[in-house]
Amino acid sequence: GQNIDQPTEMTATEGAIVQINCTYQTSGFNGLFWYQQHAGEAPTFLSYNVLDGLEEKGRFSSFLSRSKGYSYLLLKELQMKDSASYLCAVPVNDYKLSFGAGTTVTVRA
Amino acid sequence: DTAVSQTPKYLVTQMGNDKSIKCEQNLGHDTMYWYKQDSKKFLKIMFSYNNKELIINETVPNRFSPKSPDKAHLNLHINSLELGDSAVYFCASSPPRGVANYGYTFGSGTRLTVV
Repeated sequence: GQNIDQPTEMTATEGAIVQINCTYQTSGFNGLFWYQQHAGEAPTFLSYNVLDGLEEKGRFSSFLSRSKGYSYLLLKELQMKDSASYLCAVPVNDYKLSFGAGTTVTVRA
Repeated sequence: DTAVSQTPKYLVTQMGNDKSIKCEQNLGHDTMYWYKQDSKKFLKIMFSYNNKELIINETVPNRFSPKSPDKAHLNLHINSLELGDSAVYFCASSPPRGVANYGYTFGSGTRLTVV
């Protein structure tokens, strides 16, 4: 099975940096996804890590350690529009992603 | 626009009614899904179809019946609706055997409220 843990809520100030941690236990498949979901909208793809290390994409970076079952999403230079839920997800098999409960990030002015 | 589209976006109905949600994707994907997101924002898989064939059915009451007339469409019919069915239902699709590499593309969701 897979247990995916991430914090429920985080609050930060505009311009700051926030790091959302995700720990997981899964058998067989490597790799981890991060999705962003604004209130009332669909989840949208942010990043995918299949190898260990840091992947940077503009203001957002994602890190993966497969041996530790650990990932984090780093949001830099926070903007008000970054207020959303961030979902960590791992592949269970060829057809299924299992999601964490999501971390709601609130950006304050 | 290439997308996953589902209708309706909002659905308010009384307990005991039967309702359907439709989903279509024009991405050329082979696999489609229904996910339920409850009030705590937890996304849980319900069904998956690959090329019209049911491949995942995750402990969902048999009041829920998916139907896939072709690989671009996956509809969800719900009989005898209950208060606990209130949630947001997301349709999604992925390339063949591609979840582990490509993840999902989600539809915009259907907010179902049972009163």
